[in-house]
Amino acid sequence: AQTVTQSQPEMSVQEAETVTLSCTYDTSESNYYLFWYKQPPSRQMILVIRQEAYKQQNATENRFSVNFQKAAKSFSLKISDSQLGDTAMYFCAFMKPISGGSQGNLIFGKGTKLSVKP
Amino acid sequence: NAGVTQTPKFQVLKTGQSMTLQCAQDMNHEYMSWYRQDPGMGLRLIHYSVGAGITDQGEVPNGYNVSRSTTEDFPLRLLSAAPSQTSVYFCASRSRDSAYNEQFFGPGTRLTVL
Repeated sequence: AQTVTQSQPEMSVQEAETVTLSCTYDTSESNYYLFWYKQPPSRQMILVIRQEAYKQQNATENRFSVNFQKAAKSFSLKISDSQLGDTAMYFCAFMKPISGGSQGNLIFGKGTKLSVKP
Repeated sequence: NAGVTQTPKFQVLKTGQSMTLQCAQDMNHEYMSWYRQDPGMGLRLIHYSVGAGITDQGEVPNGYNVSRSTTEDFPLRLLSAAPSQTSVYFCASRSRDSAYNEQFFGPGTRLTVL
């Protein structure tokens, strides 16, 4: 079974600085998808960034980028120029491709609470 | 499009009471799912459905029932609520053919069982 581990329960960063959130996962699959979701105090789950395992290039979305290390099964999220609005819980999630017996269910880590300080 | 909607937003139950959490989506998504979120536990899959009339269990299905009679709706039923079911519940949907595999989440329901 797949597992996702986020080893940092809480982190803080000063506004305008850069912070990296860690995520590791365990799978025997060669193809899969990885996601980072943001959950602000409003509770809404917001997709931040996604990565397909067959793509070697790291995904980027504006100030958000990932460091995907397939061999190490590591998928960290880097937030550059941190803003107060980045304060939230961040969840790393894994999904097998929709094929064969997989229905594409998401497997989440336990989350990292990020606080951006002014 | 309203996206994924959930009702109610908040609910307090007494042990043993029953209730249904409603979930609806207007994106014609085949896949719908229910997660619960507990402090320090992340989101865990309760039940999911890949289309009308088809449902299956996730990681934590005990104490919950689901059915899917239409593409749009996927209600979650608690037949006899227990304090262990105090949690925040999220419904999500996804297009089965989406190249991006993005799941869209509802706003959540905070349930307290006394």
